[in-house]
Amino acid sequence: NAGVTQTPKFQVLKTGQSMTLQCAQDMNHEYMSWYRQDPGMGLRLIHYSVGAGITDQGEVPNGYNVSRSTTEDFPLRLLSAAPSQTSVYFCASRGPGPYNEQFFGPGTRLTVL
Amino acid sequence: KQEVTQIPAALSVPEGENLVLNCSFTDSAIYNLQWFRQDPGKGLTSLLLIQSSQREQTSGRLNASLDKSSGRSTLYIAASQPGDSATYLCAVVSLGGGSEKLVFGKGTKLTVNP
Repeated sequence: NAGVTQTPKFQVLKTGQSMTLQCAQDMNHEYMSWYRQDPGMGLRLIHYSVGAGITDQGEVPNGYNVSRSTTEDFPLRLLSAAPSQTSVYFCASRGPGPYNEQFFGPGTRLTVL
Repeated sequence: KQEVTQIPAALSVPEGENLVLNCSFTDSAIYNLQWFRQDPGKGLTSLLLIQSSQREQTSGRLNASLDKSSGRSTLYIAASQPGDSATYLCAVVSLGGGSEKLVFGKGTKLTVNP
């Protein structure tokens, strides 16, 4: 099992550009989520999904869109990048039910100029 | 609103020392608590998961305890090694606003000196 994978590892964008951060898992997990990690702020939830076709907002959803067409993939879209979105982004997944262990991907380091 | 606090924010110890990292949370209505390790520039590696009905979990030199009623967890690392140097994060899964939330502390940065 590859676990949770994320691409790209690094990305530099200019203000106003759009891009998609990819996340995939091969553990057949229904629950997937996106976090951002900023110095002094810790990890904060952006969006999550409890299964294909179902998504919901987390703590800091503004400026980000998600969709979930398959169990395996959960892409995060930045529609118009802003410098405030410079951060490290982590994707996570877990098995059914809130009692299960969370698994994280290696992260994408995004810089918006 | 669930809040998770980790003390200390940074810790430096000599190799071989036993140490304890602390985690506290404000709402005791949790499903579980998970300890993670994060190396610089890397993702989060799960270390231990403690269910709300459990008191402790052990893995090798690591032992995590949970006192849900007092809102506290500790991560005990025995015979520390330089390779243990990393940031350790505590996170709880609780039910807030009708949906489960994984809430993180800000971490304890551990340095083990040879």
